[in-house]
Amino acid sequence: KAGVTQTPRYLIKTRGQQVTLSCSPISGHRSVSWYQQTPGQGLQFLFEYFSETQRNKGNFPGRFSGRQFSNSRSEMNVSTLELGDSALYLCASSLSQGYTDTQYFGPGTRLTVL
Amino acid sequence: QKEVEQNSGPLSVPEGAIASLNCTYSDRGSQSFFWYRQYSGKSPELIMFIYSNGDKEDGRFTAQLNKASQYVSLLIRDSQPSDSATYLCAVNDGGGSYIPTFGRGTSLIVHP
Repeated sequence: KAGVTQTPRYLIKTRGQQVTLSCSPISGHRSVSWYQQTPGQGLQFLFEYFSETQRNKGNFPGRFSGRQFSNSRSEMNVSTLELGDSALYLCASSLSQGYTDTQYFGPGTRLTVL
Repeated sequence: QKEVEQNSGPLSVPEGAIASLNCTYSDRGSQSFFWYRQYSGKSPELIMFIYSNGDKEDGRFTAQLNKASQYVSLLIRDSQPSDSATYLCAVNDGGGSYIPTFGRGTSLIVHP
């Protein structure tokens, strides 16, 4: 079974631009979560989508948004990029089966904001 | 605020030794616990999960859970240089969101 895929793997943008990242979950997984990882802050939860609905949300500004399609693929958008948005953005998928639920991560998208 | 605490390290052990990584959590209602390994520049990779008190073994890895003391640990036996990575502890509180809270990770260095 194929794993979680993310595109693109690397991105370089300038301040003020916007960016869209894509994530395809493991086949059969309906939950997709997004995380931001930086050396200083560790792994921080952005939001989770399940059946095309945002089910959980972390503590990030409204510049960060996402959506999920009917095939469970998800996109994350960041508008008006800031230097501090430079990070590794990770997508994780799961079956969403209760407390035993296990998240599997994609390879990540490395975003650099200049 | 749910917290998951890990010593950032680095924890340095010689090849062949046992590496012991610890994690404490604040939410007493937590129900599931995960260990991920993350190599530099790569994404986290699931190593083990544990739900019940006691030990769970998988190859060279053993997860230990003590809910009364609110800690979970990961033992790596016969450590190899290839085990050098950051180990992330994740805790799922089972309170409905099922979104795990991650610790910041412990850096492990296994030297030959």
